[in-house]
Amino acid sequence: TQLLEQSPQFLSIQEGENLTVYCNSSSVFSSLQWYRQEPGEGPVLLVTVVTGGEVKKLKRLTFQFGDARKDSSLHITAAQPGDTGLYLCAGAKSGGGADGLTFGKGTHLIIQP
Amino acid sequence: EAQVTQNPRYLITVTGKKLTVTCSQNMNHEYMSWYRQDPGLGLRQIYYSMNVEVTDKGDVPEGYKVSRKEKRNFPLILESPSPNQTSLYFCASSFGYLGKQFFGPGTRLTVL
Repeated sequence: TQLLEQSPQFLSIQEGENLTVYCNSSSVFSSLQWYRQEPGEGPVLLVTVVTGGEVKKLKRLTFQFGDARKDSSLHITAAQPGDTGLYLCAGAKSGGGADGLTFGKGTHLIIQP
Repeated sequence: EAQVTQNPRYLITVTGKKLTVTCSQNMNHEYMSWYRQDPGLGLRQIYYSMNVEVTDKGDVPEGYKVSRKEKRNFPLILESPSPNQTSLYFCASSFGYLGKQFFGPGTRLTVL
């Protein structure tokens, strides 16, 4: 079983601060996706990273895929209350089957005004 | 509007009473899957379907059934629900099994 470990599990910070969320595995993933889930809703895709070392930016969010494609990070600059939510990473399983994505357990992020 | 719909959104039932949670997508996606989300355990895949009449087990299939008779619909069936199936359920669809997953709004199920 390919596992994705996310850290921290919970993070509460003040508006304007920076933060980084990590997604780590001992397995190699062909691609990795980041989702954000708000209370009462389903997860929504933020970004997909495919190439080792790839960096993608989405406004104040910066996503990086590790060189070995075993880990990823999400960095938020100048966090805002609207960034509050559950952040999930999901890796494409590389076992050759069609069972799709393995999800991490998520990071609960609260940005306090 | 492109979307995945699930019904019902909330359901309270009793042990052993068969129930079906419906899922429908209007994006002509081949791939559909069901997940359950539990505190401390994250999202776990129950069943998935590559296309019509093609379904397979995910990580936690015990106690669930699915069918895929039409491309747009992928119902989740609990033949004899038990309290350990109390959870938040999500249906998702995508063009391929590694593609962007479009999630439904979720169904919160409580089995007493």
